[in-house]
Amino acid sequence: DAKTTQPNSMESNEEEPVHLPCNHSTISGTDYIHWYRQLPSQGPEYVIHGLTSNVNNRMASLAIAEDRKSSTLILHRATLRDAAVYYCILRDVRMRLGNEKLTFGTGTRLTIIP
Amino acid sequence: GAVVSQHPSRVICKSGTSVKIECRSLDFQATTMFWYRQFPKKSLMLMATSNEGSKATYEQGVEKDKFLINHASLTLSTLTVTSAHPEDSSFYICSARLTKGQGAEGNIQYFGAGTRLSVL
Repeated sequence: DAKTTQPNSMESNEEEPVHLPCNHSTISGTDYIHWYRQLPSQGPEYVIHGLTSNVNNRMASLAIAEDRKSSTLILHRATLRDAAVYYCILRDVRMRLGNEKLTFGTGTRLTIIP
Repeated sequence: GAVVSQHPSRVICKSGTSVKIECRSLDFQATTMFWYRQFPKKSLMLMATSNEGSKATYEQGVEKDKFLINHASLTLSTLTVTSAHPEDSSFYICSARLTKGQGAEGNIQYFGAGTRLSVL
């Protein structure tokens, strides 16, 4: 799997937007960009994914650079419940069925300041 | 979104005993389920890929005779930690993906809440 690089930690004030960066300079044309988050003592939770175009859902937005070598997860208005470790993961769309494993890096630990 | 139920959420056992952890997809069928392990303040490490009706595929360094995986139906996979020892104490997490044909969401994995195993 192509590798991603994220800051180890970030802080943000409550009710402000948060921009979580991810670098993936070796991304291939068939790699989807996935974001998951893990709240304390919980299993990971899917947040969003995209290929080339920016994506929006009820949880977040994903902004993908034109060259696809980086992306940014945007939480529009952070709440205390958004405090978690956020993982940026690349998944090859060609992965053979039954082998679509996710490779987790160290992620970004997001702290929300009340 | 799809729901994955994992049971038990926490187990404490004596060294040498075996522990079974269940992972169920509640409202969808899952041809493939994944088992991860996570040590404190570390990232998730994939242990094995569980395919319904066939043998699991284990990652390098994971003992298949110690971590027995059974995926007997499209909604249930079990992980049995045999003869558990204190070094097996960890947070075990399962995940499942939608079976092919259930739409674009097949790219997404849904995770259980995890099982915290403590071996005394």
